[in-house]
Amino acid sequence: DAKTTQPPSMDCAEGRAANLPCNHSTISGNEYVYWYRQIHSQGPQYIIHGLKNNETNEMASLIITEDRKSSTLILPHATLRDTAVYYCIVSPFGNEKLTFGTGTRLTIIP
Amino acid sequence: DAGITQSPRHKVTETGTPVTLRCHQTENHRYMYWYRQDPGHGLRLIHYSYGVKDTDKGEVSDGYSVSRSKTEDFLLTLESATSSQTSVYFCAIRPGQGYNEQFFGPGTRLTVL
Repeated sequence: DAKTTQPPSMDCAEGRAANLPCNHSTISGNEYVYWYRQIHSQGPQYIIHGLKNNETNEMASLIITEDRKSSTLILPHATLRDTAVYYCIVSPFGNEKLTFGTGTRLTIIP
Repeated sequence: DAGITQSPRHKVTETGTPVTLRCHQTENHRYMYWYRQDPGHGLRLIHYSYGVKDTDKGEVSDGYSVSRSKTEDFLLTLESATSSQTSVYFCAIRPGQGYNEQFFGPGTRLTVL
């Protein structure tokens, strides 16, 4: 499975858009990009996933570069409840073994 | 809410004792997973199941066994707990074909003294 690189931490002001980058330069053609987050000590929460097109749902938007070597998760109007560790994962569809790295700790500043 | 519960939520035990953690789901999902989470390691897959009596190993399966005799329950057993198995354990489900996202339970914090 392809590896991902994320910054260890980021801050964002409340109400602003939070843009979380992820590098996955060795991604294969059949691998999707997934984003999860973990708030405090709760179980991880699925956010969004995509293959090559940009995706949007009620939680976030996912922008994948044309060469698929990097992506950005966008939380459009960050709130204090978005403070969490965000994990970027690449994996083939149907693969059982999601590999969680250490993620990005996002802190929303009031 | 994927209808996942874990029990117990907290447990303290002594080295050498057997421990069983339970994951229960209410939605009849086919796929179930056990992960452990430790500082500096993220989440690591222990075992997973793709149906009743069908299980397979993850990346950190040594010292753990699992059983799934009913669709709704996935049990993780530490036959003889060690201090290195002190961790937070998360169960997850995947709804099945057409879905790749996993949904996680609230976790069990296990301390082995």
